[in-house]
Amino acid sequence: RKEVEQDPGPFNVPEGATVAFNCTYSNSASQSFFWYRQDCRKEPKLLMSVYSSGNEDGRFTAQLNRASQYISLLIRDSKLSDSATYLCVVNRGEKLTFGTGTRLTIIP
Amino acid sequence: NAGVTQTPKFQVLKTGQSMTLQCAQDMNHEYMSWYRQDPGMGLRLIHYSVGAGITDQGEVPNGYNVSRSTTEDFPLRLLSAAPSQTSVYFCASSYVGIQSNYGYTFGSGTRLTVV
Repeated sequence: RKEVEQDPGPFNVPEGATVAFNCTYSNSASQSFFWYRQDCRKEPKLLMSVYSSGNEDGRFTAQLNRASQYISLLIRDSKLSDSATYLCVVNRGEKLTFGTGTRLTIIP
Repeated sequence: NAGVTQTPKFQVLKTGQSMTLQCAQDMNHEYMSWYRQDPGMGLRLIHYSVGAGITDQGEVPNGYNVSRSTTEDFPLRLLSAAPSQTSVYFCASSYVGIQSNYGYTFGSGTRLTVV
């Protein structure tokens, strides 16, 4: 079983819609959680950290459920510029473990 | 304001050749790491370092060497290139104590093809 699992998609969503991604992790000792965004042929960039209480950054909301070992990302009012691959990332100690990513395409 | 700089951006090697991928950061980050990214596999950790003179293996270290003589530089050496090492390589750095939620800063990547 992979340490971090994501639905690879692709998700094709009309502009303005709400879309949600899920991610599960297998190691209960994981300490920190993140969502990264990766554009085609570019490097990953930190989108947001994920806290147990849930956190929001503009149109983006991240949730963490430690009991179920589950992380989610919600994007509201999606924009064309949101088209990218979204990587779920889990930290344990000094190393980050990346999911394979969920590909999102926003359709005009 | 360079961040993490990787060179070269593209490289084609013949099987059996050796080469060094360069990575430099100017943010005084203690932690540096190398990942490779392959379709359907996600990013996999090759080697990492928590400071000058300290390195350790990641998930897929075979065929690669690293050293960390300065805080700024963390080169990755391919000893004898194989077609299985065709991949996109990313260098990343951060402050030690990732729990601070700063996340990693990535370089722009090196696209390596071994023929």
